[in-house]
Amino acid sequence: AQTVTQSQPEMSVQEAETVTLSCTYDTSESDYYLFWYKQPPSRQMILVIRQEAYKQQNATENRFSVNFQKAAKSFSLKISDSQLGDAAMYFCAYPPQGGSEKLVFGKGTKLTVNP
Amino acid sequence: DAGVIQSPRHEVTEMGQEVTLRCKPISGHNSLFWYRQTMMRGLELLIYFNNNVPIDDSGMPEDRFSAKMPNASFSTLKIQPSEPRDSAVYFCASSPGTGWGNQPQHFGDGTRLSIL
Repeated sequence: AQTVTQSQPEMSVQEAETVTLSCTYDTSESDYYLFWYKQPPSRQMILVIRQEAYKQQNATENRFSVNFQKAAKSFSLKISDSQLGDAAMYFCAYPPQGGSEKLVFGKGTKLTVNP
Repeated sequence: DAGVIQSPRHEVTEMGQEVTLRCKPISGHNSLFWYRQTMMRGLELLIYFNNNVPIDDSGMPEDRFSAKMPNASFSTLKIQPSEPRDSAVYFCASSPGTGWGNQPQHFGDGTRLSIL
């Protein structure tokens, strides 16, 4: 079965510091997208960043960036200058089947930001 | 622009009752997804539609669950009869087109369902 693994159930970071959340996945496809979603206590699922697998350049969105290692099937999220509002569950997701919109989500990492 | 709209936000009902969850996707989006989120199983895809047609319902847990999309602006997820183990948060999401190149999915605020 094609899966996505987030090995860190919980992480914590001091405000203004940097934290990296890990994600590995399993696919036989060569072209696909990868996503990180944020779920704050309000329950909304908010897209944080997406990476196109055929692009070598790592995606960046303001304080959020990814470290994409295609050969290793690794897709980590780095949050720089952490803010209290970054506290949330973070989920990585990918489409296990090429040409399909179907996404598989990891179990999530709960991020706590300490003031 | 309005996002994905789900109703109700909370639903509490007794075991055996019929439950209907509703979703209005973002206007112009062609794909619609229903997910269920629980502590034990995480976020699971139940079913998704392209252009109002069900494409993959392999995640629907059993015959008590059914989903419809009668038009491009409305979808329902129905549970009949409901059971306590159906208690979860149900999300609807939509995306602009069909095929993986048209991601990402935009989520509604979810419906928290409690079956007593």
